[in-house]
Amino acid sequence: DAGVTQSPTHLIKTRGQHVTLRCSPISGHKSVSWYQQVLGQGPQFIFQYYEKEERGRGNFPDRFSARQFPNYSSELNVNALLLGDSALYLCASSFRAGNTGELFFGEGSRLTVL
Amino acid sequence: QKEVEQNSGPLSVPEGAIASLNCTYSDRGSQSFFWYRQYSGKSPELIMFIYSNGDKEDGRFTAQLNKASQYVSLLIRDSQPSDSATYLCAVSDGGTSYGKLTFGQGTILTVHP
Repeated sequence: DAGVTQSPTHLIKTRGQHVTLRCSPISGHKSVSWYQQVLGQGPQFIFQYYEKEERGRGNFPDRFSARQFPNYSSELNVNALLLGDSALYLCASSFRAGNTGELFFGEGSRLTVL
Repeated sequence: QKEVEQNSGPLSVPEGAIASLNCTYSDRGSQSFFWYRQYSGKSPELIMFIYSNGDKEDGRFTAQLNKASQYVSLLIRDSQPSDSATYLCAVSDGGTSYGKLTFGQGTILTVHP
């Protein structure tokens, strides 16, 4: 069975540009969350979506946005990129509704902003 | 702001020893506690979760939770070189959080032969 898939795996952008990251959850999983992991730190929560609705947002500026599609895949968009946005962006899916941290992570999209 | 703090590393233990990883959290409303392992260049993978006070054992891993002290730990018995990784403590609150975890900064564990 396919796990959580993310694309692209690596990308390089320059300051001010826009980026779109994509995620396909495990089949049957309806919840998708996005995390940012800066080198040497733990992942930081950005967004969570369940059944195509935003259920939570972390402490990130409005330059960050996301959406979930009817097939439960998701996109994370970041506008006006800053050098500090360079990080590994992780998508995670989970099956059960309600409070759970049993997340399954994709391999991530590594973004470098020059 | 909810915080999760892990013991500073890196932690180095000899093969066969017990590795002890510790974590404290600030939000008394936290309900669920998780340990993730992350190999270098890879994504985190769940290895243990615990919801109730006390110990939970799974093979060589034991998670311990003390909600009164806001403390959770992970013991790895008979440590192997393949256990060398970053271990992330994560906490979920009691609300309807479908996928929201607060992670600690991670502890790097090295098991040397």
